[in-house]
Amino acid sequence: AQKITQTQPGMFVQEKEAVTLDCTYDTSDQSYGLFWYKQPSSGEMIFLIYQGSYDEQNATEGRYSLNFQKARKSANLVISASQLGDSAMYFCAMREPFTGGGNKLTFGTGTQLKVEL
Amino acid sequence: GAVVSQHPSWVICKSGTSVKIECRSLDFQATTMFWYRQFPKQSLMLMATSNEGSKATYEQGVEKDKFLINHASLTLSTLTVTSAHPEDSSFYICSASTTGTHTTFYEQYFGPGTRLTVT
Repeated sequence: AQKITQTQPGMFVQEKEAVTLDCTYDTSDQSYGLFWYKQPSSGEMIFLIYQGSYDEQNATEGRYSLNFQKARKSANLVISASQLGDSAMYFCAMREPFTGGGNKLTFGTGTQLKVEL
Repeated sequence: GAVVSQHPSWVICKSGTSVKIECRSLDFQATTMFWYRQFPKQSLMLMATSNEGSKATYEQGVEKDKFLINHASLTLSTLTVTSAHPEDSSFYICSASTTGTHTTFYEQYFGPGTRLTVT
């Protein structure tokens, strides 16, 4: 079974600094996908970035980049130039094949990020 | 594009009553919809997966008779919490997925969530 581990329940970062949120995963599948979502206090889940297991390049989306180390089974999210609006809960998730159609996501426990002045 | 709506955004109901939550994909056809439950400060826990026109697949430990899921069309899924109790109070989130050309990596598009409070 797939498993996602986020070991940082809470993180603080100064505005304009970079921050790394850790995520490790465990799977026996060769083909899988890794996602990062942001959940502000309003509750909506905001998609940030995706990394496929066969992608050779690390994914980047604006200020977000994913540090994908396949051998270590880690997929850390790096947020550069942090902004106050980045304060939120961040979830790492893995897509697993689902025989019934669609693709199930397994979520980590999340990291609460607080950006300070 | 890829917008998913949920209605209502919040609901308060009395213990013993039933409440229905709707999840709609507004600009795409969702082959699969997922229902999650989230307690405060915790992760999303998948409750069930539904495909249009077929019975939902429930995760282990989720009561099928209590959480009724109907995926009536490619754009609508409903979750009915029957005989609600205070312990059912939670944040319920749906998501929709498509295997069409809308996305290349089968992304799930999330609704804004429904906060249920049972008194």
